[in-house]
Amino acid sequence: DAKTTQPPSMDCAEGRAANLPCNHSTISGNEYVYWYRQIHSQGPQYIIHGLKNNETNEMASLIITEDRKSSTLILPHATLRDTAVYYCIVRVAGGTGANSKLTFGKGITLSVRP
Amino acid sequence: DTGVSQDPRHKITKRGQNVTFRCDPISEHNRLYWYRQTLGQGPEFLTYFQNEAQLEKSRLLSDRFSAERPKGSFSTLEIQRTEQGDSAMYLCASSLGREGAFFGQGTRLTVV
Repeated sequence: DAKTTQPPSMDCAEGRAANLPCNHSTISGNEYVYWYRQIHSQGPQYIIHGLKNNETNEMASLIITEDRKSSTLILPHATLRDTAVYYCIVRVAGGTGANSKLTFGKGITLSVRP
Repeated sequence: DTGVSQDPRHKITKRGQNVTFRCDPISEHNRLYWYRQTLGQGPEFLTYFQNEAQLEKSRLLSDRFSAERPKGSFSTLEIQRTEQGDSAMYLCASSLGREGAFFGQGTRLTVV
């Protein structure tokens, strides 16, 4: 899988939008961008994924640049409960074997302040 | 609750003992993954099943580790002769096709 680069940490004010960046400059044409988050002592939680079009669901929006070399996860109205480690992962969707697994980095720690 | 279920949530064992963890994936998910996570690190891949077939094993999975998924439904991860370095959170995830994998809450193992 292609590697991703995320800053180690960021913070934002409660109620404001949190924009979490991710670089994946070596992404392949058949690799999707996935975002997960992990709240302390819990298992990772799936947030969203996309290939090249922007995606939105009830949790977040995913903006992927046209060249697909970077993306941004947007939490439109951050709350204290959004404080977590956020992982950006690229993966061949529906792949088998080595292409199937998610490879986690260290992620970005988002701290939402009151 | 129809999510991924792991049992037990916590396990304390003495060094040298064997332990077994169970994972019940989301119904009809054909893929099942085991990960290990130590403090301050992201989850590390251990092994992967598609239905009952174990298709990939990480080099992290030493000979003391074995995983099974006998009927393509639940899975077990056994660690024999536990060592203090095995202390970690063991996570199970399942998926179906292109969608993201969904994780359980993990089993926290402490080897004393």
